[in-house]
Amino acid sequence: DTEVTQTPKHLVMGMTNKKSLKCEQHMGHRAMYWYKQKAKKPPELMFVYSYEKLSINESVPSRFSPECPNSSLLNLHLHALQPEDSALYLCASSQGTLQPQHFGDGTRLSIL
Amino acid sequence: GESVGLHLPTLSVQEGDNSIINCAYSNSASDYFIWYKQESGKGPQFIIDIRSNMDKRQGQRVTVLLNKTVKHLSLQIAATQPADSAVYFCAEIPNAGGTSYGKLTFGQGTILTVHP
Repeated sequence: DTEVTQTPKHLVMGMTNKKSLKCEQHMGHRAMYWYKQKAKKPPELMFVYSYEKLSINESVPSRFSPECPNSSLLNLHLHALQPEDSALYLCASSQGTLQPQHFGDGTRLSIL
Repeated sequence: GESVGLHLPTLSVQEGDNSIINCAYSNSASDYFIWYKQESGKGPQFIIDIRSNMDKRQGQRVTVLLNKTVKHLSLQIAATQPADSAVYFCAEIPNAGGTSYGKLTFGQGTILTVHP
């Protein structure tokens, strides 16, 4: 079991739906991250939050909208996604930005 | 290792052998390196890390070697077990002006298969 909890584990949605992915950690980490991972590929960074403020957006389309309500929670709001957005979405957290990032087990997202 | 097309490099070993997984990184400004293990259906799991002011670091059954001259990183696993079978990723964080913002970049990965 990981110390970073992601829900739901699986999500199937249509291209017109709105859904949210959730991530929670209680390790007191102040940096949190969203990654996208396609099959047989490495994770790719999407967003970085440091002290609850967005510090990096890797040119992610606006149909992905991150939110950090507090230091333990990270959300990823999804709207009008495309079939190519189907992937494993991973959340991670770290004590600082030059510290090991600890990953959750991801949400497997399928867009119909 | 280097990826070829869509196929990840693979390493097959017998149980009890030592394994060496290699990684070439591209950013000479990278300051911090991490090895992760990813099993099917799970997220990457931290194994060991090393900073650029070191050339070797040892953990339990694992050793990471860093050669900054040729920008090469390796992970050695002693007495490999079937439970070590997974995809292994190296990852790097650059230190741009002392602030890297945690921009972790992963290598392509290596599939390790350990046969009983």
